[in-house]
Amino acid sequence: SQKIEQNSEALNIQEGKTATLTCNYTNYSPAYLQWYRQDPGRGPVFLLLIRENEKEKRKERLKVTFDTTLKQSLFHITASQPADSATYLCALGKYSTLTFGKGTMLLVSP
Amino acid sequence: NAGVTQTPKFQVLKTGQSMTLQCAQDMNHEYMSWYRQDPGMGLRLIHYSVGAGITDQGEVPNGYNVSRSTTEDFPLRLLSAAPSQTSVYFCASSLTGTSGSWYEQYFGPGTRLTVT
Repeated sequence: SQKIEQNSEALNIQEGKTATLTCNYTNYSPAYLQWYRQDPGRGPVFLLLIRENEKEKRKERLKVTFDTTLKQSLFHITASQPADSATYLCALGKYSTLTFGKGTMLLVSP
Repeated sequence: NAGVTQTPKFQVLKTGQSMTLQCAQDMNHEYMSWYRQDPGMGLRLIHYSVGAGITDQGEVPNGYNVSRSTTEDFPLRLLSAAPSQTSVYFCASSLTGTSGSWYEQYFGPGTRLTVT
């Protein structure tokens, strides 16, 4: 069955550094990959979408890469800020369904 | 726009009771879906709908029922609540494209359900 893996351990970084989160998947050929941010007690909020024929997408301080050969996506936050502290979810899409990873918690300390 | 709204925010049920979680969106989105989120399990798709009158099962549909009579509303019914259905439930909506293309999903604030 398809499997999506995100680091279960929290990622701790200092303010101003670049945070890199990883999303690996197996037994799946997604047409799309999305990244969401979720704060405690809130619903996920969409950040970026990248299609299978795209290698990289950027939005302000965010960058996502998608390597369908390695079956991996990397999500980067440059010049991180304490306000970036949250759980980040990757989601793989094909046809009419999205499958989510369990998420990685990011903690940015001042 | 209110976006995606869900009611109630919190609910406690006894085993065997039934209830309906409400979800509404005012963005004229064709696609709507229900997820449950449990600690250590991530978001799991329960049911989804690609338009009024059309619904389909997701990964964990057992014990839940849905219908889609209007574009705006997509209620989730728990037929006979069980403790295993204790979870946080999120409704989401999005546009849909052709040939399986995908757009960002807008999530509601969630309903925290406890079944005793």
